[in-house]
Amino acid sequence: GENVEQHPSTLSVQEGDSAVIKCTYSDSASNYFPWYKQELGKRPQLIIDIRSNVGEKKDQRIAVTLNKTAKHFSLHITETQPEDSAVYFCAASMWRDMRFGAGTRLTVKP
Amino acid sequence: GAGVSQSPSNKVTEKGKDVELRCDPISGHTALYWYRQSLGQGLEFLIYFQGNSAPDKSGLPSDRFSAERTGGSVSTLTIQRTQQEDSAVYLCASSLMDEQYFGPGTRLTVT
Repeated sequence: GENVEQHPSTLSVQEGDSAVIKCTYSDSASNYFPWYKQELGKRPQLIIDIRSNVGEKKDQRIAVTLNKTAKHFSLHITETQPEDSAVYFCAASMWRDMRFGAGTRLTVKP
Repeated sequence: GAGVSQSPSNKVTEKGKDVELRCDPISGHTALYWYRQSLGQGLEFLIYFQGNSAPDKSGLPSDRFSAERTGGSVSTLTIQRTQQEDSAVYLCASSLMDEQYFGPGTRLTVT
């Protein structure tokens, strides 16, 4: 089955700096790669996703890149703000069979 | 419309007792997932239902755990003879296409 590795497990940045979280996956058949944000005490919510036929996708301050050959994808957050502080999960999926990474706790210091 | 709901929101039980956790997915969503999240940890996959297909039970940690999905809608996760290490938040999610929508979770505490 699919195995998703996520790094780093914790990340601390200064407000205004960029943050990058990286994930690798094992199953080359996976074709959908979402990123979820989970604020303290709340449920995970989708913030951005990318499909295997696209190399990069951007939505305001967040972007995701995908390298199918290397089987890795990354989340980029620019101009970080304190409200970006949360746990971020990557996932890889093929036909809705989804597996999540272990999560990255991002702290943005004001 | 209504999102994914779960009940109870909190459950405290004594070690050795059985518990049932309920998930009401978004109407029309054919896929339903159960995850376990221990304090400060990631999303541990437990089980996945897709339509009328046999569920993927590969994530269930032991035979004390089981789940059903009746009529392609509501799902119940049952944990028999609970142990302290079962204490966690149990999250349910449903999807129609790729995006999963999560419920608020059930916080299970085994004393």
